[in-house]
Amino acid sequence: GQQLNQSPQSMFIQEGEDVSMNCTSSSIFNTWLWYKQDPGEGPVLLIALYKAGELTSNGRLTAQFGITRKDSFLNISASIPSDVGIYFCAGPLARGAQKLVFGQGTRLTINP
Amino acid sequence: DAGITQSPRHKVTETGTPVTLRCHQTENHRYMYWYRQDPGHGLRLIHYSYGVKDTDKGEVSDGYSVSRSKTEDFLLTLESATSSQTSVYFCAIKDRGKDSPLHFGNGTRLTVT
Repeated sequence: GQQLNQSPQSMFIQEGEDVSMNCTSSSIFNTWLWYKQDPGEGPVLLIALYKAGELTSNGRLTAQFGITRKDSFLNISASIPSDVGIYFCAGPLARGAQKLVFGQGTRLTINP
Repeated sequence: DAGITQSPRHKVTETGTPVTLRCHQTENHRYMYWYRQDPGHGLRLIHYSYGVKDTDKGEVSDGYSVSRSKTEDFLLTLESATSSQTSVYFCAIKDRGKDSPLHFGNGTRLTVT
């Protein structure tokens, strides 16, 4: 079935550094979603992308929908301790599908 | 908070016993989902529901069954729990719009000994 591959699987950075992570697929996606999961909680939607080439920001977070529609990128600028968590990309299994497939996640750790 | 309550939050059970996890929503959303989360696998869909009594399988449905007799409740049942079903289980809900996002509950941590 369709799979989403996230990279890197984990990151260890210093507070204040910028962060980049990406998500790739062998199949075309028409929607890309980025979620963040804090410890002990469920994932929360950060950014939704609906058009190839789209660049969308949410505070210090910026996500891009890749031109090929097979990838997406998430950047975090000037990281702070509350950015710690697991970041997931996700997309619908087919156009208009109500089921989402998720990547394996990128675990972000920040050293103060 | 998207009005989703999962119960119990934690459960330890023995191999071979039946287990039922409950998801309750107050949003009147049409779609409800059960995912499991395991290290290295992200979130994988077990079953989902697109209305009362309407359910379908996800990618890891073997060993699980679901029921939805009311809009607000979606039950996940492990008929005979196995150690491979030790996981964190998340319920999610979604409104009917195709671009509506999933909203997740806070999870149930299940340990099968």
